[in-house]
Amino acid sequence: QKEVEQNSGPLSVPEGAIASLNCTYSDRGSQSFFWYRQYSGKSPELIMFIYSNGDKEDGRFTAQLNKASQYVSLLIRDSQPSDSATYLCAVSYGSGNTGKLIFGQGTTLQVKP
Amino acid sequence: DAGITQSPRHKVTETGTPVTLRCHQTENHRYMYWYRQDPGHGLRLIHYSYGVKDTDKGEVSDGYSVSRSKTEDFLLTLESATSSQTSVYFCAIGRQGGTEAFFGQGTRLTVV
Repeated sequence: QKEVEQNSGPLSVPEGAIASLNCTYSDRGSQSFFWYRQYSGKSPELIMFIYSNGDKEDGRFTAQLNKASQYVSLLIRDSQPSDSATYLCAVSYGSGNTGKLIFGQGTTLQVKP
Repeated sequence: DAGITQSPRHKVTETGTPVTLRCHQTENHRYMYWYRQDPGHGLRLIHYSYGVKDTDKGEVSDGYSVSRSKTEDFLLTLESATSSQTSVYFCAIGRQGGTEAFFGQGTRLTVV
């Protein structure tokens, strides 16, 4: 049974702080890792993807991947109230490049002004 | 987003009736997906398609069928709706050769 685990939260941080979101996965064969942001009542929006061990930065977002530990994280620097949302970790599975994803249940982030 | 649209956006139906949800894309992507989202379960893959008439099952395919007769349309059918199929259904297209899933607005389905 392939699984992706996230702490459901809520994670509460003050405005301007760094928010750290974590995710673990069970399938060692997974090759691609994604972070989606979902506002209440809206569809998931892709904000970061990472394929190789290490860090990947895009603006205020940094994704970190450690395949040996089967761990992926998302750091949000200078958190803003508009970052308040649920963040979904997703991991690819299956052979070939089919784009099939297993999602975690999501971590709710609250950024307080 | 204009690249992918789902219809209807909301539907209430009775137990035992058939229901079809439609996903339409304008971007000519090969891969398309149907997910359902439920509290406590997150997003789960129902079926996916890797081309016209090419489909396969996901994690939670029981009670669902799909069809893809044209690149742009991917239909999800509940043959006989049950209350356990009350959910929010998201269609997605696979951009970048299928590696990046881009989601439609969702369809909220209630089975009473």
